[in-house]
Amino acid sequence: KAGVTQTPRYLIKTRGQQVTLSCSPISGHRSVSWYQQTPGQGLQFLFEYFSETQRNKGNFPGRFSGRQFSNSRSEMNVSTLELGDSALYLCASSLVGANTGELFFGEGSRLTVL
Amino acid sequence: ILNVEQSPQSLHVQEGDSTNFTCSFPSSNFYALHWYRWETAKSPEALFVMTLNGDEKKKGRISATLNTKEGYSYLYIKGSQPEDSATYLCAPTVNNNDMRFGAGTRLTVKP
Repeated sequence: KAGVTQTPRYLIKTRGQQVTLSCSPISGHRSVSWYQQTPGQGLQFLFEYFSETQRNKGNFPGRFSGRQFSNSRSEMNVSTLELGDSALYLCASSLVGANTGELFFGEGSRLTVL
Repeated sequence: ILNVEQSPQSLHVQEGDSTNFTCSFPSSNFYALHWYRWETAKSPEALFVMTLNGDEKKKGRISATLNTKEGYSYLYIKGSQPEDSATYLCAPTVNNNDMRFGAGTRLTVKP
């Protein structure tokens, strides 16, 4: 069974640009959640999608957005990038949902903003 | 905002030592608690999902307990091995929809 796949693994952007990250969940999983990790911080929850609907959202500005497609693949977008957006972005899929179901994480997309 | 505290922040032990660390969270409206292990250069890996007060889960040398009334969970590692070196994260959920990760306890086991 294939795991959670995130692309791209590494990327470098400049301030003001926008970026789109992709996450393909484990087959059959309908929940995809996104997290940000910056140095010295724990995993910060961005949002969760379940069956194409945003089910929960963390405390991030509106520059951070996401969506989920009918095949459960998800994308997250960050517009008008700031230096502080440099981070590891992890997605996780779950069979029943992020709150009670076991999360299966991808390897992450490491974003550097110059 | 759900406040999750993990202690200690980091821990260094010798191979063979047993160790434990704590996750504290608000006790009201508790729903579930997850423990994850995150090894360097890998993805976080689920250890346990716990929902009931007094729950105790075990996986090999690692076990966890849960006290929802007072808002804490302990993770124990018996006879630590170098491969146990990782960051251990807890993530409680309250109100069925608010899950937050703690900052983690970074464990280093010296051979």
